[in-house]
Amino acid sequence: GAVVSQHPSWVICKSGTSVKIECRSLDFQATTMFWYRQFPKQSLMLMATSNEGSKATYEQGVEKDKFLINHASLTLSTLTVTSAHPEDSSFYICSARPDNNEKLFFGSGTQLSVL
Amino acid sequence: AQTVTQSQPEMSVQEAETVTLSCTYDTSENNYYLFWYKQPPSRQMILVIRQEAYKQQNATENRFSVNFQKAAKSFSLKISDSQLGDTAMYFCAFMNLNPGNQFYFGTGTSLTVIP
Repeated sequence: GAVVSQHPSWVICKSGTSVKIECRSLDFQATTMFWYRQFPKQSLMLMATSNEGSKATYEQGVEKDKFLINHASLTLSTLTVTSAHPEDSSFYICSARPDNNEKLFFGSGTQLSVL
Repeated sequence: AQTVTQSQPEMSVQEAETVTLSCTYDTSENNYYLFWYKQPPSRQMILVIRQEAYKQQNATENRFSVNFQKAAKSFSLKISDSQLGDTAMYFCAFMNLNPGNQFYFGTGTSLTVIP
């Protein structure tokens, strides 16, 4: 099956710093990738849809200046949490859907802890 | 946005027995996909089964099958011969075909298989 690689798996940072999370589709091209946030024992909340070569589409309530998304190629999307604060601590998961395929494949997630 | 509802926050089943997880959704679309994803303690999201809305035949994957009732907007998952490795969070998901092919997840059901 298709593989989505997400890096890093976990990161600890100081309040006020920025953190970049990478999401790569290893064996397929994905025009569209998705970023989710998950709190403990809760569902995945869609944050934004990342579109290759264009601006990301953010869900209501998600600050686009806070969560910067760049989808520079058909295999890579990045999420940068800018000026991170403790309330940004969460599990972030990316996913990608191969073009012409309805299945969604997920990265292994990134646990972010902001001190 | 579409809504996906899972009314059973927690369930348990005896090993080798059968369990059914419920899911309902709300949409005005006619063409869409439905999915069940499994999230074990590793937190890696794993596709269990998918159903195309235009197909009346219920999808099956080995011990997993669905009961898709389009008019009722219901999409339940049946797990037969439950195994200890089935212990996980199960998320029902909806994907519309247009626009954006966005995924929407239910709140999840925590399933525990008891030895």
